[in-house]
Amino acid sequence: GQQLNQSPQSMFIQEGEDVSMNCTSSSIFNTWLWYKQDPGEGPVLLIALYKAGELTSNGRLTAQFGITRKDSFLNISASIPSDVGIYFCAGQYSGRDMRFGAGTRLTVKP
Amino acid sequence: DGGITQSPKYLFRKEGQNVTLSCEQNLNHDAMYWYRQDPGQGLRLIYYSQIVNDFQKGDIAEGYSVSREKKESFPLTVTSAQKNPTAFYLCASSNRDWGEYFGPGTRLTVL
Repeated sequence: GQQLNQSPQSMFIQEGEDVSMNCTSSSIFNTWLWYKQDPGEGPVLLIALYKAGELTSNGRLTAQFGITRKDSFLNISASIPSDVGIYFCAGQYSGRDMRFGAGTRLTVKP
Repeated sequence: DGGITQSPKYLFRKEGQNVTLSCEQNLNHDAMYWYRQDPGQGLRLIYYSQIVNDFQKGDIAEGYSVSREKKESFPLTVTSAQKNPTAFYLCASSNRDWGEYFGPGTRLTVL
């Protein structure tokens, strides 16, 4: 099945820096989701977006649902060591049609 | 505490043996899903079920089977027909459009 295009594939940043990652698709979605996965664990839902143009924050995390409904971005401000992990985007049109990006692996250097 | 449990965390099996992975949820979610994750890759859907006694194939269903006899439970069997079964398996559940919630995963290694 079609996967989303998520970039960058990996990031190496210094503690305190801001981070930005995004997902694009050739199809439109009604819902965009962002997950974080720690090694050996299941992904944890960070932010859910349900409306085109919506901008939602969760602490230091901010995500936006693109106006075209074909893209979304996630920003992390003032990164800390525990932000390390793999971040996945997911798009859902309706019912069962949810697709995942390949993930962005984030490394934060103290 | 509501959540999704998967057991066991680590599983080792000999080649040619069937193995069943457990997934239980007490979130009262209607839909449940099984995904496979390989190193450095995203999630690929194996099977999903939107209601008890009904399930559908995902993108990579070959070599796998499932059942949904109870709302809380959605076990996955990895059969000997699966050519490359060593992977990290994730179970998830959801209520329609509110996003999927994942279990902690089972790492299956076939020797």
